[in-house]
Amino acid sequence: DTGVSQNPRHKITKRGQNVTFRCDPISEHNRLYWYRQTLGQGPEFLTYFQNEAQLEKSRLLSDRFSAERPKGSFSTLEIQRTEQGDSAMYLCASSLSGGVTEAFFGQGTRLTVV
Amino acid sequence: SQQGEEDPQALSIQEGENATMNCSYKTSINNLQWYRQNSGRGLVHLILIRSNEREKHSGRLRVTLDTSKKSSSLLITASRAADTASYFCASSPLSGSARQLTFGSGTQLTVLP
Repeated sequence: DTGVSQNPRHKITKRGQNVTFRCDPISEHNRLYWYRQTLGQGPEFLTYFQNEAQLEKSRLLSDRFSAERPKGSFSTLEIQRTEQGDSAMYLCASSLSGGVTEAFFGQGTRLTVV
Repeated sequence: SQQGEEDPQALSIQEGENATMNCSYKTSINNLQWYRQNSGRGLVHLILIRSNEREKHSGRLRVTLDTSKKSSSLLITASRAADTASYFCASSPLSGSARQLTFGSGTQLTVLP
């Protein structure tokens, strides 16, 4: 499977715990995006990387959230001191750069904070 | 908040019928993309239409774009039960953060066998 891969698929955590999600993009894609989707809504942009550089961050990305993309390959999204409001599907996408390009999404990580 | 709005929020049709979903957006765009999402799964890219295009076809899909009205429509012809899913439009703005997509709230399509 050469698509975007996300792990884990599901995560249940207690409020206050830290969680980390991983995204492996399509290998030749240098752009990587994180989105959050709550039930019944469309995805909302969180952050974007071009290679290893984090170029944009949404106001939704509070200081409890941090994302990295070391060496411009896989990316991790960490949420510290989780809150119940963090419960959502976290989606990763990747694309080529330059011009008009399609973004390809992974299956997502569903986070439930109890 | 979502930039786009989709209409209708839910649509139920019989297999073989056509399904039309509409999307409106607020700012000038570079392109608009449509995605499908099965329940609890990731998004599957369906079709991309550029701002200088008015209509595009892909298999049973037909997308139109009216930049003067800031709206787009997705037509699925000869629907099948497997088309049951949520459909989202996503716009890429002309300026500013051109690399992020802004999604609508989606249309839940149910195709009855």
